[in-house]
Amino acid sequence: SQTIHQWPATLVQPVGSPLSLECTVEGTSNPNLYWYRQAAGRGLQLLFYSVGIGQISSEVPQNLSASRPQDRQFILSSKKLLLSDSGFYLCAWRPGLISEKLFFGSGTQLSVL
Amino acid sequence: QQQVKQSPQSLIVQKGGISIINCAYENTAFDYFPWYQQFPGKGPALLIAIRPDVSEKKEGRFTISFNKSAKQFSLHIMDSQPGDSATYFCAASAHASGGSYIPTFGRGTSLIVHP
Repeated sequence: SQTIHQWPATLVQPVGSPLSLECTVEGTSNPNLYWYRQAAGRGLQLLFYSVGIGQISSEVPQNLSASRPQDRQFILSSKKLLLSDSGFYLCAWRPGLISEKLFFGSGTQLSVL
Repeated sequence: QQQVKQSPQSLIVQKGGISIINCAYENTAFDYFPWYQQFPGKGPALLIAIRPDVSEKKEGRFTISFNKSAKQFSLHIMDSQPGDSATYFCAASAHASGGSYIPTFGRGTSLIVHP
């Protein structure tokens, strides 16, 4: 069966510190991968998506970057966090060209202080 | 530009009542309309979805009504239960070339069902 792992679940970081959030998918190959951010009381903002290794599309200019070093691994990073980077970060995957369903991870609650 | 408009932003219903959430879209190329349910502190999960070739789809207490001419679709939760309390997102999408797929989400509706 396919599963998605996202960690950590919660993270408190000081302003100016680096960030690395990791997401991995098991049980599938060549998935489409996504990073979303959800601010409190707001909708889902697409940050990055990837259709393959090393292929990253950025939807919103920001203080964040993404990488896909392996087929089923998606990493969200920042060199220096800002207060405005606080939020609930969600990784999601789609089984390549087969399905239109998105499967979300359990999320990371990031607080930048 | 918000391509999928969702309303209401929040909704409170009594147990046993009907919850109705509405969405409107602009892009006529959209051909897949899912609803996602999100409990606090969790990621959204697909609840039910519809394609424009049908006007209604029902799964248990959850029904999607779709009006292609009006470019609107709605989620109806019959016999609402406290366990249905969650945030609901509508979405719409169209297949893009090259395998990329980016659904457009509504802003979400926070549903509270009082016992």
